Amino acid sequence: EVQLVESGGGLVQPGGSLRLSCAASGFTFSSYWMSWVRQTPGKGLEWVANIKQDGSEKYYVDSVKGRFTISRDNAKNSLYLQMNSLRAEDTAVYYCVVGRGYSSSWGQGTLVTVSS
Amino acid sequence: EIVMTQSPATLSVSPGERATLSCRASQSLSSNLAWYQQKPGQAPRLLIYGASTRATGIPARFSGSGSGTDFTLTISSLQSEDFAVYFCQQYNNWPPWTFGQGTRVEIK
Repeated sequence: EVQLVESGGGLVQPGGSLRLSCAASGFTFSSYWMSWVRQTPGKGLEWVANIKQDGSEKYYVDSVKGRFTISRDNAKNSLYLQMNSLRAEDTAVYYCVVGRGYSSSWGQGTLVTVSS
Repeated sequence: EIVMTQSPATLSVSPGERATLSCRASQSLSSNLAWYQQKPGQAPRLLIYGASTRATGIPARFSGSGSGTDFTLTISSLQSEDFAVYFCQQYNNWPPWTFGQGTRVEIK
């Protein structure tokens, strides 16, 4: 059974940083693209970033380019999202998702709140 | 960026009735469209991919149709557990992958 467990969310001030982690199990992590998707009450679901199996390709939504960095450690079956220069509009639940298109495997999400 | 527009925003349906949800794309997607169901406090659950293929374990009362820019999710006979929010997602032109804003199916 696929399991994705996100961690690292919390309350951070504008301009601050957070690093999200996703621990994966139940599948061959190194064989799949991985993605981060976020959800806000106002904007709904928004794809944030994804990364190829070997980390050689990474893509980001325009609103986070230059501020967020996606990475992975296949030896640890883990996905990461380093978030810098956080803004109020980054407030959301962040989901770890297997794949790069549609996906049947989502984590339970971790809440990031950017507020002073 | 492809913009996905869902309608209606809210659909009020009685249990046992049919629900028809629409999703329109700003550009052609071929059949590269997925539908998700989301209940409060839960992650989205994949229902349909390839516009019409049910995901593993999804009941036959859920069906998807359409291609190009216009797509439909039909729930043939609503059960109590089907009252939720439904999202469409395109994965034809990327990045970015984009989602519709959702349709809430509520009890009439």
